[in-house]
Order: sequence, then structure tokens, then C-alpha cells
Amino acid sequence: EPEVTQTPSHQVTQMGQEVILRCVPISNHLYFYWYRQILGQKVEFLVSFYNNEISEKSEIFDDQFSVERPDGSNFTLKIRSTKLEDSAMYFCASTGSLYEQYFGPGTRLTVT
Amino acid sequence: KNQVEQSPQSLIILEGKNCTLQCNYTVSPFSNLRWYKQDTGRGPVSLTIMTFSENTKSNGRYTATLDADTKQSSLHITASQLSDSASYICVVSSGGSYIPTFGRGTSLIVHP
Repeated sequence: EPEVTQTPSHQVTQMGQEVILRCVPISNHLYFYWYRQILGQKVEFLVSFYNNEISEKSEIFDDQFSVERPDGSNFTLKIRSTKLEDSAMYFCASTGSLYEQYFGPGTRLTVT
Repeated sequence: KNQVEQSPQSLIILEGKNCTLQCNYTVSPFSNLRWYKQDTGRGPVSLTIMTFSENTKSNGRYTATLDADTKQSSLHITASQLSDSASYICVVSSGGSYIPTFGRGTSLIVHP
């Protein structure tokens, strides 16, 4: 069964450093999303992406964040200058049908 | 402000027993409501998706109900298994804007 994959599974970085989180959505899906989940808290929407551009973004998704689909398979989330409060699980998801979303296993980002 | 409230926050039941989880929302206008199962350290997995016109949907031992008038949903788990131990998350999306509103989840523990 096709699945969303994410790399790395765990990323440790120092405050102020740039990180790129990578996702490979399911191949025939057209809508892509990033979410984050701070430990012990609820999942929060960051951004949705369709047709090579951002379609929706939350207040969390400020100028420090960017997304890109550099080729036909990868979907990346970049954090330019990480802060301690960026430590969280980051989930990528993709959608084929109207509402069904498939989530990846997540990348745990630890900012020290 | 769109909100999704879930209850109880946590629940412990014995294997084989049934349980019901609740979700109340204030999201408007309503588009769809989804229930997810999230194992610890993993991405959410979709259980059911309901739109305005649907009031019951089943997926194996999981049955979700939706009352769009009272803005309430429930997830009923029949004959619980140890593998049902997870967080169950209610997510509501509004029409016109994709951005979903997540509940905090109900943590279910099934004991043998």
C-alpha cells in the first residue's frame, strides 16, 4: 500500500541553524500539507500546498518557514533560523480524494 | 473562533469492552469531520470521514456519529483490543477554508 515517507526520523539542531525536513507524498496525490505537534499538545496545521504554490497557511507559518516541491516527488519544509520552541514532531500529509489525508510517520525536531 | 473539544481526556477500559468518545465543535461553516487514531510517536491514521449529510459511518469496530444540528460527534469502539490503545483525535474542517481544527484527543488505554 502506498504511504507517505519522511526523512529524517529525528533531527537535532542548534538554535539559529537552518533545517530542511523532507517528505515524499503518495505519488498520485496533488495536495500536500505540513503539520506540527509539540510534545503533549494537539496537532497544528502549518501549510497546505497545491499546484506548486501555498493554498493556505496558519499564523504559525511565518517568514521563518518555507515549503518547496523541488521535483516531482519531494515536498520540503524549511525552517530558516530555528528557535527552541520549534522543537516538535512535524508531520507531512497528502490527499488524493477530497477529504482523505494520509500522514507520514513524522520527523522529530529537537532544537538545542 | 473555531474550536474542537474532546472528552474524556483519557479513558481506561478492559479488553473486550465497548467505549464511546465525544467531540463537540464550534467550527462554522461546517465541511467535514474526521476521526483519527494516533499511536504514540506516529502520524495520525484516518478512521472515518463524515460530511454534513452523513450521520453515521462505520469502519470495522469503529462507528462514528455526527449530529450537525448540535455540533456533536461520537466515536464508538466495539469489543476493544489491546491494539486500540492510542490517542483518538477529532478534526473538523470548515467550508471555504481548508484549515482544519484539531481536538486535543482522547487517550485510550486498553488493559488485558
